[in-house]
Amino acid sequence: KQEVTQIPAALSVPEGENLVLNCSFTDSAIYNLQWFRQDPGKGLTSLLLIQSSQREQTSGRLNASLDKSSGRSTLYIAASQPGDSATYLCAGISSGSARQLTFGSGTQLTVLP
Amino acid sequence: SQTIHQWPATLVQPVGSPLSLECTVEGTSNPNLYWYRQAAGRGLQLLFYSVGIGQISSEVPQNLSASRPQDRQFILSSKKLLLSDSGFYLCAWSVPGANSPLHFGNGTRLTVT
Repeated sequence: KQEVTQIPAALSVPEGENLVLNCSFTDSAIYNLQWFRQDPGKGLTSLLLIQSSQREQTSGRLNASLDKSSGRSTLYIAASQPGDSATYLCAGISSGSARQLTFGSGTQLTVLP
Repeated sequence: SQTIHQWPATLVQPVGSPLSLECTVEGTSNPNLYWYRQAAGRGLQLLFYSVGIGQISSEVPQNLSASRPQDRQFILSSKKLLLSDSGFYLCAWSVPGANSPLHFGNGTRLTVT
């Protein structure tokens, strides 16, 4: 059974800093890994999806990497802004069925102005 | 473009009352549809999954049921709510296939009193 862990649970950084959020998974037979953002009281917004054949994906100031051999994914946020403050969740699919998506518990990011 | 609508945004219901949460998707055909629950301080739990009209898979035994009367409509129901049903309910959709991202609605905050 796939298990997804995100450490730390909370992170606070000053504005402008580059930062990395970590996600680890136990089953290396992963189909893809998706990063989401969740603002308080809101649904999840999809940020990036990395397929198992890819090593990274980029969107604007965000870059997500996937290392299946080590069971890790990272989300890199460049030049952080207060508007980046949110909870970031990663989720992995370890089989051919999308119903097997397993979520981490998230990292709550606060970017201080 | 595809959009997902979920309502109501918030709901306060007494124990023993019925529940009906609705979710609709626009701009796509034959999507996979999902109901998740996010309890306070916990990760997302998949409740139900549907690959087509009338096809519902239940992931956990519980007091809830789901129906898909139309291709892009997904309904979460209960005949009698329990206190433990309180939580944040999220509807999501994806294009069939393990390599397609999951897209979420804005969620319904349910409080059972």
